[in-house]
This record gives sequence, C-alpha cells and structure tokens, in this order.
Amino acid sequence: DGGITQSPKYLFRKEGQNVTLSCEQNLNHDAMYWYRQDPGQGLRLIYYSQIVNDFQKGDIAEGYSVSREKKESFPLTVTSAQKNPTAFYLCASSGRTGGIDEQYFGPGTRLTVT
Amino acid sequence: GESVGLHLPTLSVQEGDNSIINCAYSNSASDYFIWYKQESGKGPQFIIDIRSNMDKRQGQRVTVLLNKTVKHLSLQIAATQPGDSAVYFCAEFLYNYGQNFVFGPGTRLSVLP
Repeated sequence: DGGITQSPKYLFRKEGQNVTLSCEQNLNHDAMYWYRQDPGQGLRLIYYSQIVNDFQKGDIAEGYSVSREKKESFPLTVTSAQKNPTAFYLCASSGRTGGIDEQYFGPGTRLTVT
Repeated sequence: GESVGLHLPTLSVQEGDNSIINCAYSNSASDYFIWYKQESGKGPQFIIDIRSNMDKRQGQRVTVLLNKTVKHLSLQIAATQPGDSAVYFCAEFLYNYGQNFVFGPGTRLSVLP
C-alpha cells in the first residue's frame, strides 16, 4: 500500500457520534488527501492538504473535519453533521516526480454508522 | 466483502484473452492520466500512467492508449489472468483543479476460467 496506513480497517459507530479515522504515511510526501468511495461512483474528494498546518475543502467537505499538525499524519473526523456517513474512506498522499504528482492510496477504512 | 463496485459496468473475459477497458475523461486540458486497479476491500493500486503529450505507453502486460481528440483513455491487459479480476478506474489530473485528480467510476473486470 505504498507506505500509507489507515486504521482501523472496519469501524462501527452509532448515529450522533463523532469518529476519527487515522491516516499515516512514511513516504515524506507533502500532500495528503481524503476521499470517500460509494458503490457505483468515482472517488470524491473530502479534504486535502498540500503542506503541514494547511488544508482545503474538497467537493464534499460538509460534515467532516481534518487536521495536519504533522507531515506524516492527516486524520479525518466524521462528525454527527454528516448526513450519510456510511462509506469506504480512502486516504492518499502524493509526491512530485518530474513535475507531475503521483498519488498512492492507503488500504481504506470501512465506516458503518447505524 | 466490500460493496465498492456494485452497479458498475462489467467486462467478462476468458482467462488468457486480452482485455480492453475504456474510460472517457472530462477535460480536454487534463495533463496526466493514471489507471488504478482496486481489489475488493483494498485501496487502489497504481498500474500505469501517461502524460498528455503521449498517445501510447506500455508496461508489463499492460498498455494505455490516449486519444485526446475524443477524450478517451483505454487500458489493454494482455493474457488476462485470474489475479487481474478487480475494479479498474482512470484518473485525470488537472493542474488548475487545485492540483488534484478527478476519478472515473470504474469498470469491473471478471476473468472466467
């Protein structure tokens, strides 16, 4: 999985609870990303961070929050405000090679909220 | 198992045959493209990439073709094996899109014995 770890693999929570998904990379990449994957759809960008202590909203940021206090770590919190949180969440990091960013993905976390 | 990939287009091929998976991308200004393979319950794996100044690139058993005129990308897998069964999707990179990738929904490849 290219030096990116996500934990846990499966996560179960009750509705109304916040939950934090972990993402760590040892690739020395500056940029990190969180995507959501739902059946039959392409990956959708939640948040991304190009550098430590800075992050930007993606296409579907509502109900999510992130932090980037360390280069290696980019945790995602799914808040109770997220209306449909059950999904497969993928973290990625990217490094620049020859002027182009290549993205490497973690193994994913399957979140189920009941 | 992982529910990712339900309701996707499916391509079924016989083991040993060649597979061709297609992708239509959205922006004629895209600079860079990647094909990913995603097995059930796992994160996507990089297969092969191509830059917009090329129209063909070959890897081990895989070839990517880029037709910028019709904004079409294809992935050819030679001598398809059971281990190739997965969801395949393309990603386009737009420098003006916040330095981020845009992903297609994917195609499920099923290899028949």
